[in-house]
Formats: sequence, C-alpha cells, structure tokens
Amino acid sequence: NAGVTQTPKFQVLKTGQSMTLQCAQDMNHNSMYWYRQDPGMGLRLIYYSASEGTTDKGEVPNGYNVSRLNKREFSLRLESAAPSQTSVYFCASSQGSSNQPQHFGDGTRLSIL
Amino acid sequence: GQQLNQSPQSMFIQEGEDVSMNCTSSSIFNTWLWYKQDPGEGPVLLIALYKAGELTSNGRLTAQFGITRKDSFLNISASIPSDVGIYFCAGRAGGTSYGKLTFGQGTILTVHP
Repeated sequence: NAGVTQTPKFQVLKTGQSMTLQCAQDMNHNSMYWYRQDPGMGLRLIYYSASEGTTDKGEVPNGYNVSRLNKREFSLRLESAAPSQTSVYFCASSQGSSNQPQHFGDGTRLSIL
Repeated sequence: GQQLNQSPQSMFIQEGEDVSMNCTSSSIFNTWLWYKQDPGEGPVLLIALYKAGELTSNGRLTAQFGITRKDSFLNISASIPSDVGIYFCAGRAGGTSYGKLTFGQGTILTVHP
C-alpha cells in the first residue's frame, strides 16, 4: 500500500550540478504535483500535471523542469542547481477532479552547497 | 495570487488542553483541507470541507468551512502527545478543475505531557 513514493529521500549537490527527483503513485490518480517546502512558508507549487501528457507551471517554476512520463510517474529536474533550491520537495497526486484531496509522498531533502 | 494566512504560527500546550487554529484567505475558496505533517514525513489529510458552513469531525478533530468561504477553523479537543506536528490548511478556489491548492504557512503544535 505504497501510495506516493519519492526517490531519493536525501541528496546533496554542488552548485551547478543537475539532478532528477523521481515520483511514482500507485493509486491510478490523474493529477500529480511538485511542491517545495521552506521554513515558515508552507508548501509552494512548482509544477503540476492535470493529466497524462500535460504539465503546467505553478507558483515557483523558475529553475525547474518536469516530465510526466506516464500516468504513474512525474519527475522534477534541476538543470543547474543553486543554493536557493535547497529545500524539501514533495510530490503529491489526486484523482483530478476539483473536489479530490491530494495525497503526499514523504519528501526528498535536497541540499545544494 | 491567492494568499492564506494561518494562525497561530506556533502553540505550546499542556496535554489535555483544547487547541484552535484558523486560516483566512484573500479570496473565496470552494474547498478547504486540513493536513498534519509529522517530522520527516509528508502531509497527511485530516479533514476535507466542501460546503460553506460545513462542520466535520474526525475523532477529536473538528473543522469548519466559514460562511464567508474565506476562512476555516480546526479544533483539537483533549490534546495528547501524538498530536505534536505541523498543521496546514489548504484551499482550492472555484473554477480550478485540476485540484490546485494554496497552502497556509503552518501551525507548529507542541504538547507537553
């Protein structure tokens, strides 16, 4: 009963390195989301995918790219990591209709030196 | 964009006390959600509210969807040590069919035995 699975759980990068965060859900949900969580700021939406084959920018998309690989998987890529991208990243999924709540993974803790 | 103000930012209470927290929005929401986040984990859904004025309980937790549709409240009765964590409100504005949420900054709850 995995729900939303994120890998890796922890990662340390040097400034300028690239990295892809992986997310997979086994609930047959249509919509998937990437958030970042910073102290005192709650969760901020980076990108989302309303359905397979579509992606859209959220509140803080700069410096990130995403790929909705199939219905199950939604990846987040940092092409050239910056210290300001040090954060905890959460993936979430939902059935897709406006009234369905989102279910979250356990996060990836990313530090950029 | 939409903004959510969640208060208080933190609470320190004794075991057995009741807890109240709230969120206010600058715009009207048609869905309110309350999540709890334990250390090192992702947010877990506690209560979902879909109608103005709705009052919903989940064990010792009770949440209400404000009549103005711009606020929501969460109450925890007879707190216990395992209630410790960060509580987030999240709202969804009307017209968004893909489930996009706006999150509050979180309330950090500490319960002293």
